[in-house]
Amino acid sequence: AQTVTQSQPEMSVQEAETVTLSCTYDTSESNYYLFWYKQPPSRQMILVIRQEAYKQQNATENRFSVNFQKAAKSFSLKISDSQLGDTAMYFCAFAWGSSGDKLTFGTGTRLAVRP
Amino acid sequence: DTAVSQTPKYLVTQMGNDKSIKCEQNLGHDTMYWYKQDSKKFLKIMFSYNNKELIINETVPNRFSPKSPDKAHLNLHINSLELGDSAVYFCASSQARSLPYEQYFGPGTRLTVT
Repeated sequence: AQTVTQSQPEMSVQEAETVTLSCTYDTSESNYYLFWYKQPPSRQMILVIRQEAYKQQNATENRFSVNFQKAAKSFSLKISDSQLGDTAMYFCAFAWGSSGDKLTFGTGTRLAVRP
Repeated sequence: DTAVSQTPKYLVTQMGNDKSIKCEQNLGHDTMYWYKQDSKKFLKIMFSYNNKELIINETVPNRFSPKSPDKAHLNLHINSLELGDSAVYFCASSQARSLPYEQYFGPGTRLTVT
């Protein structure tokens, strides 16, 4: 079974600074996909960034980037130049196989950006 | 243009009642899902339908019955509601077997059972 672990229940960062959220996963699959989702107070689940396991290059989306360490089964999210609007729950998620169905989520990290 | 919509967004009801949550997507996707987010914010898949066919059913009580009249709709009916059913229920959709397997989520339905 696939598991996703987020060891930081809560984090806080000063506006304009950089913060890294941790995620580790466990799988015996070789073909899989990793995601970070953001859930602001509005409750909407928003995809922040994705990473295909077969790609060695770390994904980047504007201020968001990942550090994907396949051998260590680690997938951390770095948020640069933090903004107040980044305050949210962040979920790491895993999907695998040829169909890619069924996201398995971590328990989430609550990020607070301080003004 | 709302990609994945759910109705209602809030639902308050008493124990023992039967209720339904509706979901519609206009993305042309062939796969739809129901997830449950508990009070600790943990998200877990409940069901998945591909082209109206049930493909995932994750140890969910029989009181929960999904119905997919067509591939753009996936409704969730809950019988004999219990206090433990209180949660936020999210509908999502994706195009199966199509990279990068991104799932698009609806706004969620907060169900409160009193």
